[in-house]
Amino acid sequence: DIQMTQSPSTLSASVGDRVTIACRASQSISSWLAWYQQKPGQAPKLLIYKASSLESGVPSRFSGSGSGTEFTLTITSLQPDDFAAYYCQQYDSYPLTFGGGTKVEIK
Amino acid sequence: EVQLVESGGGLVQPGGSLRLSCAASGFTFSDHYMDWVRQAPGKGLEWVGRGRNKTKSYTAEYAASVKGRFTISRDDSKNSLYLQMNSLKTEDTAVYFCARGSIAAHPVEDYWGQGTLVTVSS
Repeated sequence: DIQMTQSPSTLSASVGDRVTIACRASQSISSWLAWYQQKPGQAPKLLIYKASSLESGVPSRFSGSGSGTEFTLTITSLQPDDFAAYYCQQYDSYPLTFGGGTKVEIK
Repeated sequence: EVQLVESGGGLVQPGGSLRLSCAASGFTFSDHYMDWVRQAPGKGLEWVGRGRNKTKSYTAEYAASVKGRFTISRDDSKNSLYLQMNSLKTEDTAVYFCARGSIAAHPVEDYWGQGTLVTVSS
């Protein structure tokens, strides 16, 4: 199985900050990586697919980069609505696997 | 508007069975692969399995933790996805989400339901 490792597990930031979350795959997954946002009590929401493609309706302050085993989610100018948990997921091969998550908290 | 509504969760004893349903609307259900993903209380997301469409003979893939105990099925005439869960364990306690797979060579989970809570406890 492909292991997905996210860092950091928790991140404290202020409104307006630039935030970067890292995700590492245990083997190459090409660009088959997605990023999801989840708020408490809600379902996950797709933000980024194929490593860097922005899902329709997602604000442009979200961006993804990387390929192979190293990936990054960046939020430029963090907004109040962005305080949430973020998960990466590989969908290159079965079983699909998620990273452990990153909680973005208010500093 | 794409909508996915899960139902069927509840309290069940260890060793018991439960069947979850996911009612889909707002898209051509039969075209899409459909997934189940779960989240234990206070924990991260865990992929449970995927049910493919008729084009792929309704085959399925499962996580190792549920293989042989859980079965994904679907009824395209009812726009519904199911998860039959047998031999339930306490570690199966979680919110179970259904999610739609995008139309692509590598489908990504692009829409999710709100989830249904399954509690396995004596």
